[in-house]
Amino acid sequence: KAGVTQTPRYLIKTRGQQVTLSCSPISGHRSVSWYQQTPGQGLQFLFEYFSETQRNKGNFPGRFSGRQFSNSRSEMNVSTLELGDSALYLCASSLVKGSPNNEQFFGPGTRLTVL
Amino acid sequence: AQKVTQAQTEISVVEKEDVTLDCVYETRDTTYYLFWYKQPPSGELVFLIRRNSFDEQNEISGRYSWNFQKSTSSFNFTITASQVVDSAVYFCALSDLGGATNKLIFGTGTLLAVQP
Repeated sequence: KAGVTQTPRYLIKTRGQQVTLSCSPISGHRSVSWYQQTPGQGLQFLFEYFSETQRNKGNFPGRFSGRQFSNSRSEMNVSTLELGDSALYLCASSLVKGSPNNEQFFGPGTRLTVL
Repeated sequence: AQKVTQAQTEISVVEKEDVTLDCVYETRDTTYYLFWYKQPPSGELVFLIRRNSFDEQNEISGRYSWNFQKSTSSFNFTITASQVVDSAVYFCALSDLGGATNKLIFGTGTLLAVQP
């Protein structure tokens, strides 16, 4: 059974550009969550999607957005990139939403560098 | 507010030593879940254990054991006879809203270095 896949694995952008990251959950999983990991702020929750609807959102500016498609694949977008957006972006999938009894499986992450 | 504190930033041990990673949490919820994840250099978070707030039984899985104490709001993780392959960053996490969401609140992590 394939795990969570994230593309691309590495990305280099310049300030002011925008970027789209993709996450394909494990087959059959319908819930996808996104996290940002930086040395300064650690692991922070971005958003959670289930059945194409955003169910929860972390404390991030509106430049950060996401969506989920009917096949449960999810994308997140960051517009007007800032240097501080450089981070490892992790995606996690689980069978259903809001049930910590369902283990969340994490992908390998996308390493975004903003120059 | 929910919060997870991992006071140990970095721990270095020699192979075969036992090591305990501390985790202290804060929450107003009566129903909550606690987790431990391992992050090797590859970056992927690997699930280790999940514990709900009503189950204070300690758990052992091979060389790993967990001590959950609600009285001190702690959920500590012990590795017995550590091995070089245990070298990684370990995160303790708390679920939010009593299970109504998959959102995890992570501690800052503890970098464990096991020397041969």
